Amino acid sequence: QKEVEQNSGPLSVPEGAIASLNCTYSDRVSQSFFWYRQYSGKSPELIMSIYSNGDKEDGRFTAQLNKASQYVSLLIRDSQPSDSATYLCAVRPGMDTGRRALTFGSGTRLQVQP
Amino acid sequence: GAGVSQSPSNKVTEKGKDVELRCDPISGHTALYWYRQSLGQGLEFLIYFQGNSAPDKSGLPSDRFSAERTGGSVSTLTIQRTQQEDSAVYLCASSKDSSSGNTIYFGEGSWLTVV
Repeated sequence: QKEVEQNSGPLSVPEGAIASLNCTYSDRVSQSFFWYRQYSGKSPELIMSIYSNGDKEDGRFTAQLNKASQYVSLLIRDSQPSDSATYLCAVRPGMDTGRRALTFGSGTRLQVQP
Repeated sequence: GAGVSQSPSNKVTEKGKDVELRCDPISGHTALYWYRQSLGQGLEFLIYFQGNSAPDKSGLPSDRFSAERTGGSVSTLTIQRTQQEDSAVYLCASSKDSSSGNTIYFGEGSWLTVV
């Protein structure tokens, strides 16, 4: 089982719709969760971070965390063609692992159709 | 500098040659990470440095790969006797430290092609 799993997509949504991106993780004691956006040929850039159960909103983006289900999601409201990119879910392992580097999923490619 | 700086941005090398990739983290950042991303794939962790602590080398794929960080700042990733499967973009990132809340910032990457 991969530590961080994402559907590779592509996820295709029409402009103006809500895009829902999902991620599951295997380490139950993981502490911190991140969503990065990566345009083709570019490096990842941070969109959202979330540490507690529930929702966290920032503009058109909402991150949702459910630690009991080991599930984190990213909602993009009013999707725009410029949102078309690969979205990477990243998890920081629990302190007991001794590892501090983020573990990344393989990413979900989002296509927003004009 | 304003961001994480990596060099070279592109490198084409012949199979069997050694390559060195350089990373200059954001000033004041004590944590430095190297990741590798093959075409169309996710990010694969390679190595992590935090201050003067022993690095976490658990992601290095073979003993042909090594990295050092001099003076707690600049890092060099060395790949010896390169193979075609080493072709990838090598991404360096840094953060203030390794605390949970600290954002990791990526450089633009070094694109390595082994021919």
